[in-house]
Order: sequence, then structure tokens, then C-alpha cells
Amino acid sequence: AQSVTQLGSHVSVSEGALVLLRCNYSSSVPPYLFWYVQYPNQGLQLLLKYTTGATLVKGINGFEAEFKKSETSFHLTKPSAHMSDAAEYFCAVDTGFQKLVFGTGTRLLVSP
Amino acid sequence: DTGVSQDPRHKITKRGQNVTFRCDPISEHNRLYWYRQTLGQGPEFLTYFQNEAQLEKSRLLSDRFSAERPKGSFSTLEIQRTEQGDSAMYLCASRKETEFSYEQYFGPGTRLTVT
Repeated sequence: AQSVTQLGSHVSVSEGALVLLRCNYSSSVPPYLFWYVQYPNQGLQLLLKYTTGATLVKGINGFEAEFKKSETSFHLTKPSAHMSDAAEYFCAVDTGFQKLVFGTGTRLLVSP
Repeated sequence: DTGVSQDPRHKITKRGQNVTFRCDPISEHNRLYWYRQTLGQGPEFLTYFQNEAQLEKSRLLSDRFSAERPKGSFSTLEIQRTEQGDSAMYLCASRKETEFSYEQYFGPGTRLTVT
């Protein structure tokens, strides 16, 4: 069965610091990987996705992620955090079974 | 493209009552999904439609839950005899089957509170 593990339910950074949110997946077939962001009482917005091709993918708002097959990881990074980045972030995998499997989420806290 | 819309945004009901939620997908998106998100958790798959056909249902979808997409456009999710454990955010998403990106577009969700 496919699964996603997000290490750290909460990550705290200072404004301007590097953001690193970790995601590891389990899949028996090549996965499609996604990062979504959720602001309070809102739906999910796609940040970026990996399907095929280049393993380093860039998304919106300065975020990027690298697919590492050997490590079964898809960590999300941003060089410099902004206050507006404070939100819940979800990693998800789609292995072709037509549904997304999500991790439990990481809440990013940004302090001034 | 006006995005995925859901109605209502919030619903408070008493235990034992029936509730119905509506989802309007992005036009021309033939795949429609329902997810449930409880506090502190990621969304969990409930069911999905390809056009009007319901192709898969999760074990989370008990007999009290029913979903329809009668004309392959909007969808409804009904919960009968609600229980406090049904309190959650219900998310709808849609995608175009012909796209190879597997990207799903989510609506704002319906937050259900069962008292």
C-alpha cells in the first residue's frame, strides 16, 4: 500500500531562514508526488508536483522540492521564509490508483 | 475557470439528522473526488466519480454515506443519521482525465460539526 510520512508535525523558523519540510513515501511503482498548502479553514492549493523528468521541481511562492528515488523522499524547501508562508503543508502521492494519499501534514510557524 | 465550489461552507447539525453537501467541479473536469479531513490529519479519500459513474469507495464510506453525480457535473454527498464522529472537513476535488499531471484541484471544503 502507498503511504506518506511527514516528519515533524510542527516546524518553526524565523523570517528569512531556510524552510525544510520532510516527506518520505512508500510505493511499489513510480509515484507522482505533490505538495499542497492549506490556510486555516480553506481548501488545498497545489504548490508543486513531480510526475516525470527533472527531479528538482519548482513551484509557486519560491518553493521547490527534489525527488530522490534512492531515498524515497520529496522534501520541500524555500531559501527564505516569509510570514505569509505560515500554514499547513501536506505531501501526497498518487501511484495511478486514481486517488491521492496524504501525509498527516506539517504546520509551518514563522516568527518575526 | 471559476474553480471548484462547495456548498455550504459550514454546517452545524444535531446528532441523528441527515445532511447533504454539494460540490461543483471545474467545468470539463470529468473526475470528481471526495475526501474527509479530521482535525490534525491529512485528507483521506472517500470516493470518486468518472463522469456519472462512481468507480471506487473507501471503507471509510459507511452505509450512512452516499454520493451521487447524476449528470456528470455537480456531485452531492449525503450523510444519514449523523454521528459526532462525522464532524470533519469534507473536501471535493476535480481533475481532467486526459491530463497526465494527475493534478487535483480542491474546493474550499464544507466543515461539518455534529453536536
